[in-house]
Amino acid sequence: QSALTQPASVSGSPGQSITISCTGTSSDVGSYNLVSWYQQHPGKAPKLMIYEGSKRPSGVSNRFSGSKSGNTASLTISGLQAEDEADYYCCSYAGSSTYVVFGGGTKLTVL
Amino acid sequence: QVQLQESGPGLVKPSQTLSLTCTVSGGSISSGSYYWSWIRQPAGKGLEWIGRIYTSGSTNYNPSLKSRVTISVDTSKNQFSLKLSSVTAADTAVYYCARGGLEGDFDYWGQGTLVTVSS
Repeated sequence: QSALTQPASVSGSPGQSITISCTGTSSDVGSYNLVSWYQQHPGKAPKLMIYEGSKRPSGVSNRFSGSKSGNTASLTISGLQAEDEADYYCCSYAGSSTYVVFGGGTKLTVL
Repeated sequence: QVQLQESGPGLVKPSQTLSLTCTVSGGSISSGSYYWSWIRQPAGKGLEWIGRIYTSGSTNYNPSLKSRVTISVDTSKNQFSLKLSSVTAADTAVYYCARGGLEGDFDYWGQGTLVTVSS
């Protein structure tokens, strides 16, 4: 069982917006604004999409945004495109001993 | 552009030690305040952080794997390595090396290497 809880799957039509939740505890998500999100296409390495809760690395589309409320972080993808279909993982800093914990992943299907 | 590449045996026998090396190119492993991590992913499952090392040699390990994991660094070769002892079939996974900051955020990843534990 993963430390962070994500829905197993979400779906949306092209052009629509979807949100993926990531629920942790007061020891990780709730204590730090240090959630990152990764996109993983089949057979590929994960790609950093959001870091420090809401920041986008250079080259990542502004259709991707991150937020947090309490112990739950969220990734929102607006203007869905076929290329967004992938698995998405959240990851939270959890202190100097544990370092990081991952979510179980969410499969995004673009209908 | 920083690049990471994993290398090592793709098949390990049960009870033996899994050994992998990550070679960093496009930049010095010693430059910047980065931590170098190993992360694994069993087929069809999620990501699991294994451990990390700083170029000073300081390490942190996932508590669930700590008793079996050793990560080391060779700055002269721009490499860091993973050893996982007493492996079982549950250790079969794609193993990734990645660069991360002090508080997470893995910005560069290797392509991953599949390690199968089987006799």
